[in-house]
Amino acid sequence: EAQVTQNPRYLITVTGKKLTVTCSQNMNHEYMSWYRQDPGLGLRQIYYSMNVEVTDKGDVPEGYKVSRKEKRNFPLILESPSPNQTSLYFCASSFDRPGPNNSPLHFGNGTRLTVT
Amino acid sequence: DQQVKQNSPSLSVQEGRISILNCDYTNSMFDYFLWYKKYPAEGPTFLISISSIKDKNEDGRFTVFLNKSAKHLSLHIVPSQPGDSAVYFCAALPSGGGADGLTFGKGTHLIIQP
Repeated sequence: EAQVTQNPRYLITVTGKKLTVTCSQNMNHEYMSWYRQDPGLGLRQIYYSMNVEVTDKGDVPEGYKVSRKEKRNFPLILESPSPNQTSLYFCASSFDRPGPNNSPLHFGNGTRLTVT
Repeated sequence: DQQVKQNSPSLSVQEGRISILNCDYTNSMFDYFLWYKKYPAEGPTFLISISSIKDKNEDGRFTVFLNKSAKHLSLHIVPSQPGDSAVYFCAALPSGGGADGLTFGKGTHLIIQP
């Protein structure tokens, strides 16, 4: 089954303790992206990757890192989490960068992160 | 400054009636628009899209209308069914696609009442 898999689904951590949220897709997609969803703010892009070893900042990259060493994986790293990073995070992928002639983004089921 | 606006946080519609979800945008460079649907505890799923060269796109019960001069689009669901209860996000892309991704609205929670 074609899917984007995120782990963990739920995570509670403390300020400053490094964490990684994994994302893997089995569709051979080149484009991958991370979003966060917050009440009243909708979905905002954190980072994206056009292909292996190519990553770029989205709208809200502060406090986050990503890596794209393999095509299928795009982990989100919080080196020193803070309470304002408490949010619902979504990983997404598509064959190519979003556009009218390309397949739409496929989203994972989300990771709910709480930082105390 | 929010470039994609969904001004109704929630909408309640009776089963069988038409649901109309609205979306406004401010960036005149946007020319491709999508609607995503999201159930609780799941990720958003693509529903329907429209390019600026069209003013209407239809897929089964779902129709999206685009009014470029008003910078407004709407999603019509006819007839509304209980399974349509979800949060609907409007999203937009500038011409030439968007390497930096979609710009989303805040979402509208649609509730279909029996």
